[in-house]
Amino acid sequence: DGGITQSPKYLFRKEGQNVTLSCEQNLNHDAMYWYRQDPGQGLRLIYYSQIVNDFQKGDIAEGYSVSREKKESFPLTVTSAQKNPTAFYLCASSITLAGEGNEQFFGPGTRLTVL
Amino acid sequence: GQNIDQPTEMTATEGAIVQINCTYQTSGFNGLFWYQQHAGEAPTFLSYNVLDGLEEKGRFSSFLSRSKGYSYLLLKELQMKDSASYLCAVMDSNYQLIWGAGTKLIIKP
Repeated sequence: DGGITQSPKYLFRKEGQNVTLSCEQNLNHDAMYWYRQDPGQGLRLIYYSQIVNDFQKGDIAEGYSVSREKKESFPLTVTSAQKNPTAFYLCASSITLAGEGNEQFFGPGTRLTVL
Repeated sequence: GQNIDQPTEMTATEGAIVQINCTYQTSGFNGLFWYQQHAGEAPTFLSYNVLDGLEEKGRFSSFLSRSKGYSYLLLKELQMKDSASYLCAVMDSNYQLIWGAGTKLIIKP
């Protein structure tokens, strides 16, 4: 079965610690995305990548970092510089970045709580 | 700035019809998406409109008017499992998705 996996489902972190969220896809998609979802707000784009070894900042990249060393993998690191990291994090992928009708497929999400 | 507006919450009765509206102001337009999201889960794709008019897919239909910056999602023969949030998203001129905050739909028996 093709799809996107994220791990872990729930993650707890102490203030001042960095943490890395995993995202893997076997859909052979070129483009991958990280979003943050907070109550009462739309999804906000953190980073995106349209091809291996390339990624771009989204609207709220400060305090986050990513890498795209393999087509299948797009891990997100939440650093201690992120002021309010508690949120639901969603990873998504699409066939390509640009193009009409390119729906994004989402992973199950990781709920990060900073204690 | 870019903006997507949808009602925060709606309530409907099982078996009935409900229409969820979405208005948008974006930098360019490359299509509008509707997603369904159950609480604590991932959004799943429902529909895509890029031309004016109605797209029908089973119990769900989506309408677009580009001149009015307006779309709606129509759900017929509501079932309890349709209780979820419905997210409207517009693809702008840079092919980035701009998301609304979502409409929480509550279905009552």
